[in-house]
Amino acid sequence: NAGVTQTPKFQVLKTGQSMTLQCAQDMNHNSMYWYRQDPGMGLRLIYYSASEGTTDKGEVPNGYNVSRLNKREFSLRLESAAPSQTSVYFCASTFGAQDQPQHFGDGTRLSIL
Amino acid sequence: AQSVTQPDIHITVSEGASLELRCNYSYGATPYLFWYVQSPGQGLQLLLKYFSGDTLVQGIKGFEAEFKRSQSSFNLRKPSVHWSDAAEYFCAVGAAGYGNKLVFGAGTILRVKS
Repeated sequence: NAGVTQTPKFQVLKTGQSMTLQCAQDMNHNSMYWYRQDPGMGLRLIYYSASEGTTDKGEVPNGYNVSRLNKREFSLRLESAAPSQTSVYFCASTFGAQDQPQHFGDGTRLSIL
Repeated sequence: AQSVTQPDIHITVSEGASLELRCNYSYGATPYLFWYVQSPGQGLQLLLKYFSGDTLVQGIKGFEAEFKRSQSSFNLRKPSVHWSDAAEYFCAVGAAGYGNKLVFGAGTILRVKS
């Protein structure tokens, strides 16, 4: 049972470099989400895709872009990485009904020097 | 806007002791509430959820939570903690409107001493 798969698991970037974080789910879920997790702040929503073909900003979208490539895949791109984007990034997915829980990947640990 | 408060950043309990983690939410209607657990280096795993019906809900790993509308609370409990329960616990509320988004609390780190 793969569930939600994120790649890479770890990455170190230099300031100004670009990078794409990949996320794929095999549960036929409609909705997908990108969060960042910082100590003492819980998880904050960056972008989400309620259904294939749509994307919307979350709480902290600045400095990021997303692509819903198909129903399975949802990528997050950092165009010009900044040290403030050092964080752990989680992808999640769900069928989309309000009582359905989100399923999470294991995260990508990103450090920007 | 919805919000979730977890008042305790860290909690330490002895193995075998009971546990209660607090969660207070702000939401205008009947909320959809979730508790997740995160072990070090892992993603979040769902422990339990509440959206209607019985206000005491049972989850995995022996956890339960009670929804109290009058107190806007959804506290997580376990009668006897095991060392393997050491982790970070997050309370979340389903946000109103498009996209079925979740709003998370800041988390509570549980330490278990033997």
